[in-house]
Amino acid sequence: DQQVKQNSPSLSVQEGRISILNCDYTNSMFDYFLWYKKYPAEGPTFLISISSIKDKNEDGRFTVFLNKSAKHLSLHIVPSQPGDSAVYFCAASARNNNDMRFGAGTRLTVKP
Amino acid sequence: EPEVTQTPSHQVTQMGQEVILRCVPISNHLYFYWYRQILGQKVEFLVSFYNNEISEKSEIFDDQFSVERPDGSNFTLKIRSTKLEDSAMYFCASSDPDTQYFGPGTRLTVL
Repeated sequence: DQQVKQNSPSLSVQEGRISILNCDYTNSMFDYFLWYKKYPAEGPTFLISISSIKDKNEDGRFTVFLNKSAKHLSLHIVPSQPGDSAVYFCAASARNNNDMRFGAGTRLTVKP
Repeated sequence: EPEVTQTPSHQVTQMGQEVILRCVPISNHLYFYWYRQILGQKVEFLVSFYNNEISEKSEIFDDQFSVERPDGSNFTLKIRSTKLEDSAMYFCASSDPDTQYFGPGTRLTVL
């Protein structure tokens, strides 16, 4: 089941620079998208979300962009900080369906 | 800040034994979920629960799994007869209803 794909298993960025994490989906019924951050030995922590009626949502250093025609979303973190180092999961759901699908995750390393 | 809690943090069991994983969702949430993550693999949806019944379940959630909300605060996942391949991190989540908030997980090790 590959309805949500994160094709980059890892990403390394210098502190202060922009981190861009990408996610693609195949199910056109998805209309709500979320990013979660996960540290080792902890549960996924909600970061930011976007509804399909928007193409951008911003919260502090985090911005999520949604391109519905390309079925693509991205998470921008700027400026990146060492504490942002974690695994980032993209998730998607259809609001009439509680079944949220996760990507495989991208491990972000922010180097000081 | 309210959070989802899970107990135990680590459960070790013998193959064939029953285990119950416990979760306390955020108090005003109405939707509850279980996910699992096998080591090195993606987070997988198991089941969602609303209004005292299962609303969605995945193909992973077969007859050996069951969920229950035995009282107003707990939400449990029971695995009747554990198999080696059930070894994983099990995450509980609750939502309001759009955004799901996860617990810290229970690491289940089946020997």
